[in-house]
Amino acid sequence: GENVEQHPSTLSVQEGDSAVIKCTYSDSASNYFPWYKQELGKGPQLIIDIRSNVGEKKDQRIAVTLNKTAKHFSLHITETQPEDSAVYFCAASISGYSTLTFGKGTMLLVSP
Amino acid sequence: KAGVTQTPRYLIKTRGQQVTLSCSPISGHRSVSWYQQTPGQGLQFLFEYFSETQRNKGNFPGRFSGRQFSNSRSEMNVSTLELGDSALYLCASSLNRAGGNTEAFFGQGTRLTVV
Repeated sequence: GENVEQHPSTLSVQEGDSAVIKCTYSDSASNYFPWYKQELGKGPQLIIDIRSNVGEKKDQRIAVTLNKTAKHFSLHITETQPEDSAVYFCAASISGYSTLTFGKGTMLLVSP
Repeated sequence: KAGVTQTPRYLIKTRGQQVTLSCSPISGHRSVSWYQQTPGQGLQFLFEYFSETQRNKGNFPGRFSGRQFSNSRSEMNVSTLELGDSALYLCASSLNRAGGNTEAFFGQGTRLTVV
């Protein structure tokens, strides 16, 4: 089955810096890669996703890149703000199926 | 549009008991998936239901079961509870049209504590 590795497990940055979280996956059939943000006491919130026919996608301060050959994808957050502090999860799945395989998560702490 | 609703939010049960958790998906979504979240194992897939049929199942013992009703609402049941079943149980709702569109939206979860 699919295996998703996520690094780093914790990431501390200063407000205004950029943050990068990286994930690798094992199943070459995976073609849908969402990212979720989970705040304390809440369920995961979908923040951005990318499909295998796209190399990069941006949404304001957030961007995701995908390298299908190397089987890795990354989340980039620019101009970080304290409210970006949360746990971020990457996931992989095969389009048409709802099963998501998640990475272990990255705790992002943005200090003012 | 209302989001995914899970009830109850918190539960405390004793070892050996059984528990039923409920999930109401986003209106129009026909796929409901359940995940278990623990500090040690992270988010793990339990099962998925689509149009009242279990379409996929994760690697969990038979004590974990679920069902989906004709209105797409879903329930999951855990029998003979063990201490290790203490976790946040999350439900995800997806439109899941043919050809893709697997954006999954999660509820707030049910925090189950087994004592």
